[in-house]
Amino acid sequence: DQQVKQNSPSLSVQEGRISILNCDYTNSMFDYFLWYKKYPAEGPTFLISISSIKDKNEDGRFTVFLNKSAKHLSLHIVPSQPGDSAVYFCAASALAQGGSEKLVFGKGTKLTVNP
Amino acid sequence: DAGVIQSPRHEVTEMGQEVTLRCKPISGHNSLFWYRQTMMRGLELLIYFNNNVPIDDSGMPEDRFSAKMPNASFSTLKIQPSEPRDSAVYFCASRRGYTGELFFGEGSRLTVL
Repeated sequence: DQQVKQNSPSLSVQEGRISILNCDYTNSMFDYFLWYKKYPAEGPTFLISISSIKDKNEDGRFTVFLNKSAKHLSLHIVPSQPGDSAVYFCAASALAQGGSEKLVFGKGTKLTVNP
Repeated sequence: DAGVIQSPRHEVTEMGQEVTLRCKPISGHNSLFWYRQTMMRGLELLIYFNNNVPIDDSGMPEDRFSAKMPNASFSTLKIQPSEPRDSAVYFCASRRGYTGELFFGEGSRLTVL
């Protein structure tokens, strides 16, 4: 039962264009969302996050949009660069036992940016 | 600053053997997570600890899997006996506090023949 879904396993984009990666979630208790980037043979690294009280967060070329009513978030990369080619994981945070929060990840989307 | 350190980076073993994966979290971090990555299921949370205490092990597949955190700077994930379906990349991650981003290690790639 996937609580965080990334329905596109892969995406291919031309350099300089916009990359849009999508993510849907089912648990309305999620209150914080993150995107991670992963290169081969490395661990995932944090990219950008958004709190459920916001609908947009921007950091340089990366913008995350949150639509709570649709339980949907997206990551926009503009302009896309070949170095952005990686697997992108969407993650959602839910309050768990003892007041801590655990991160639930999607399956990932492999982005390829072609020169 | 040293990041999360995992060992071994690669492990190839035969079915039925015991496997032990190790993790050293970032100094000062008090939450530690074990994840498993497969093509079919993506990144699955297996277990996590706060202040060395296991909080949620509901993701541990079965009794063959066990995890310990004897002190703030060391954790192990053990599989006994191992099976081919356990083949995956196992990641350890740590965090300061109870919320926010996780910092991942480079992973341990396990192949069970």
